[in-house]
Amino acid sequence: DAKTTQPNSMESNEEEPVHLPCNHSTISGTDYIHWYRQLPSQGPEYVIHGLTSNVNNRMASLAIAEDRKSSTLILHRATLRDAAVYYCILRLANAGGTSYGKLTFGQGTILTVHP
Amino acid sequence: DAGVIQSPRHEVTEMGQEVTLRCKPISGHNSLFWYRQTMMRGLELLIYFNNNVPIDDSGMPEDRFSAKMPNASFSTLKIQPSEPRDSAVYFCASRPPRDRGNTEAFFGQGTRLTVV
Repeated sequence: DAKTTQPNSMESNEEEPVHLPCNHSTISGTDYIHWYRQLPSQGPEYVIHGLTSNVNNRMASLAIAEDRKSSTLILHRATLRDAAVYYCILRLANAGGTSYGKLTFGQGTILTVHP
Repeated sequence: DAGVIQSPRHEVTEMGQEVTLRCKPISGHNSLFWYRQTMMRGLELLIYFNNNVPIDDSGMPEDRFSAKMPNASFSTLKIQPSEPRDSAVYFCASRPPRDRGNTEAFFGQGTRLTVV
C-alpha cells in the first residue's frame, strides 16, 4: 500500500486557519486521498476526500498538489472542537483485489487548538 | 439511522477467557471493517468484509482471533483465549456500496477491552 507521511503534531489558535500537510510521494493514479479525524474517546470520522482536484465541504477544504505527491487539509477557522488526531489515508479506487476499499491508518497529526 | 452500533462498550475479562465483540453496521452498507487501536501501534486494520465475505484478514494477529459476518446486519470479533496484550479499543466501521457515490466509512464508538 502507498504510504503517507504527516507531522506528529501541530498547534493552532482558535479562529485561525490551520493547514495540515500530508506527503504521499508513492501515490498511484488510482489512489483517492482521504482525511479522517479522531476526537478524544471517539471513533474516527470522515472529513473529506479527493482524487485530483481541490475539494471543499462544510468541514474543510482539501488542496491537492498538481503532481498528487502531497496534499493539505485546510480548516478555515479552527475551533476548540477541532482538536483531534487527523489522518491522511490513500484508498485504492480500482475494484477487485484485496486492497480495494481498504483504509489503512498511519500515526496521524495531533492538532492542538489554543483558546 | 443510529449509526454503527458496537457492544459492549467496555469489557473486562480475565486472561484465558473467550471474548466476543459485536457490531451492527448501518443498514444498506455492504463493507465492514474491524480495527484495533493501542497507544503503541495506533489504528490497525484487522479484517475487512465486503458483502459479508472476508476480503482481507491479513491484519488478524493470530489464530486466537476470528471474525464472522453471518448476515449484512451483524458481525462478531472473537478472541479465544484472550491475553493481556489484547487490551485495546476495538472499532467497527461500515461503508455503503460504491455505486451509491458516498465513499466515507462510518465508525462505531468502539469497545474498550481490558484483559487482566
